[in-house]
Amino acid sequence: GAVVSQHPSRVICKSGTSVKIECRSLDFQATTMFWYRQFPKKSLMLMATSNEGSKATYEQGVEKDKFLINHASLTLSTLTVTSAHPEDSSFYICSARDQTIMNTEAFFGQGTRLTVV
Amino acid sequence: GIQVEQSPPDLILQEGANSTLRCNFSDSVNNLQWFHQNPWGQLINLFYIPSGTKQNGRLSATTVATERYSLLYISSSQTTDSGVYFCAVGSYGNNRLAFGKGNQVVVIP
Repeated sequence: GAVVSQHPSRVICKSGTSVKIECRSLDFQATTMFWYRQFPKKSLMLMATSNEGSKATYEQGVEKDKFLINHASLTLSTLTVTSAHPEDSSFYICSARDQTIMNTEAFFGQGTRLTVV
Repeated sequence: GIQVEQSPPDLILQEGANSTLRCNFSDSVNNLQWFHQNPWGQLINLFYIPSGTKQNGRLSATTVATERYSLLYISSSQTTDSGVYFCAVGSYGNNRLAFGKGNQVVVIP
């Protein structure tokens, strides 16, 4: 199946700093990627849809200025957590689908565990 | 948006037992996937099954789209089957996936 790679897998940062997470589709092009957040023992919550060459679409309640998304190429989307605070600590995971194939499954990156201290 | 309900939320199995996990959804879908989340958080694709039946080893899945539910069967469970199983659906005209709350499965030796 298609491969989605996410980096880093784990990051610890200080309050007030920014952290960038990368999501790459390795063997297909993705005009759309998705960013999710997962709290411990909870389900995945969609944060935003990343659109190549245009602005991301954010879900209700997600701060655009806090979670900056850039989708500058057909294989790379980045999520930057700006001015991070301890409450931003969470598991972030991206997904993508090969949209050249009709009705195909989505694949997920390995996830990034962010800890803000 | 579309609602996804999974049951049972928690399940404890003796190794070797069989089990059925259920996913109900509130609207027509053109995408339904089952995932297993491993202890490191990675979502492992199990089935892409918006309709019909599929089997892969000890796992099989059936989706009855007209009745808006899907079932995941685990046969002869092993301790490595432990973890959280998620059902996620996508509706027509919408690329996004909506996730259920998951089934936490623990298989004891």
